[in-house]
Amino acid sequence: DGGITQSPKYLFRKEGQNVTLSCEQNLNHDAMYWYRQDPGQGLRLIYYSQIVNDFQKGDIAEGYSVSREKKESFPLTVTSAQKNPTAFYLCASSILSSYNSPLHFGNGTRLTVT
Amino acid sequence: DQQVKQNSPSLSVQEGRISILNCDYTNSMFDYFLWYKKYPAEGPTFLISISSIKDKNEDGRFTVFLNKSAKHLSLHIVPSQPGDSAVYFCAATAGGTSYGKLTFGQGTILTVHP
Repeated sequence: DGGITQSPKYLFRKEGQNVTLSCEQNLNHDAMYWYRQDPGQGLRLIYYSQIVNDFQKGDIAEGYSVSREKKESFPLTVTSAQKNPTAFYLCASSILSSYNSPLHFGNGTRLTVT
Repeated sequence: DQQVKQNSPSLSVQEGRISILNCDYTNSMFDYFLWYKKYPAEGPTFLISISSIKDKNEDGRFTVFLNKSAKHLSLHIVPSQPGDSAVYFCAATAGGTSYGKLTFGQGTILTVHP
């Protein structure tokens, strides 16, 4: 079955620690994205990548970093510089060039930082 | 600056009746609009979309209407079923190389009562 796998589902960290969220897709999609969801708010774009070894900042990139060394993988690191890291993080992927290909989302990782 | 707004946080509907979810946008560059459905602790799943060259798109029980002059779109679900109970997000994109960079509304919680 093709899809997007995010792990772990729940993650707990102490304040001041960096943490990396995993995202893997086997859909052969070119583009991958990281969104963040907070209660009462829509999803907000953190970073996106349209091709291996290249990525762009989204609307709320401060305090986050990403890498895209393989087409299938797009890990997100939440650094200690992120002021409000507790949130639900969603990874997505899409075919790059077609309007008929909407984003496919993983099931998310809920990060709690105390 | 909330470019996509869903002003109703929640909607409650009786099974078999019509559900109407509304969404307003401010960015006139948006040319493609999508609706996603989300269950708790899962990623959003794509429901239906519409291009700005159309004013209506239908898929089974789901119809999306776009009023470009009013910068307003709506999702109609007829008839509503208890399994439709979820959070519904509208999203918009400027298309082209921006496709996939979606701007989301805050979401509307739909509850369909048996």
